[in-house]
Amino acid sequence: GENVEQHPSTLSVQEGDSAVIKCTYSDSASNYFPWYKQELGKGPQLIIDIRSNVGEKKDQRIAVTLNKTAKHFSLHITETQPEDSAVYFCAASITADSWGKLQFGAGTQVVVTP
Amino acid sequence: DAGITQSPRYKITETGRQVTLMCHQTWSHSYMFWYRQDLGHGLRLIYYSAAADITDKGEVPDGYVVSRSKTENFPLTLESATRSQTSVYFCASTGGTGANVLTFGAGSRLTVL
Repeated sequence: GENVEQHPSTLSVQEGDSAVIKCTYSDSASNYFPWYKQELGKGPQLIIDIRSNVGEKKDQRIAVTLNKTAKHFSLHITETQPEDSAVYFCAASITADSWGKLQFGAGTQVVVTP
Repeated sequence: DAGITQSPRYKITETGRQVTLMCHQTWSHSYMFWYRQDLGHGLRLIYYSAAADITDKGEVPDGYVVSRSKTENFPLTLESATRSQTSVYFCASTGGTGANVLTFGAGSRLTVL
């Protein structure tokens, strides 16, 4: 089955710097790759997603890149702010168009220090 | 209120007891899911449902039972709770209309003593 690895497990950055989180997946049939942000005591919230027919997607300070050949995708946060501090999860669809059946990475704790 | 709600938010129980976690969504989404979250494992799929009366196993279904008699409700039952089922449980839903964007509830923290 699908296996998603996420690195690093913790990431500390200075306010204003960039943060990069990387994930790899194993199943070439996966075609949907969302990123979720989870704040303490809350459920994960989708922040950006990308489909396999697109190589890059950007939304303000957040961008995601996908390399299908290498089976890896990355989250880039620029100009980090204290409110970016949270746990971030990458995920990959278990199969093509698997309607919410996702395999998640183990998560990255991001700490943005002023 | 519109959205997806879970209850209870916190539950402490003892080994061997039956526990039911409730999930209710107001969007009439077809698909509903139960995930559990454990440190070092991210979120793992327990069960999912594509519509009322249609359910299927996910990655870690052992020890859990689900039902879906109404589109808006998807309860998760631990028939005989074990300590390994101590976790945070998240319910989620998606409309399944060409986009499989999952929306999660706030979670139910379960402790089995």
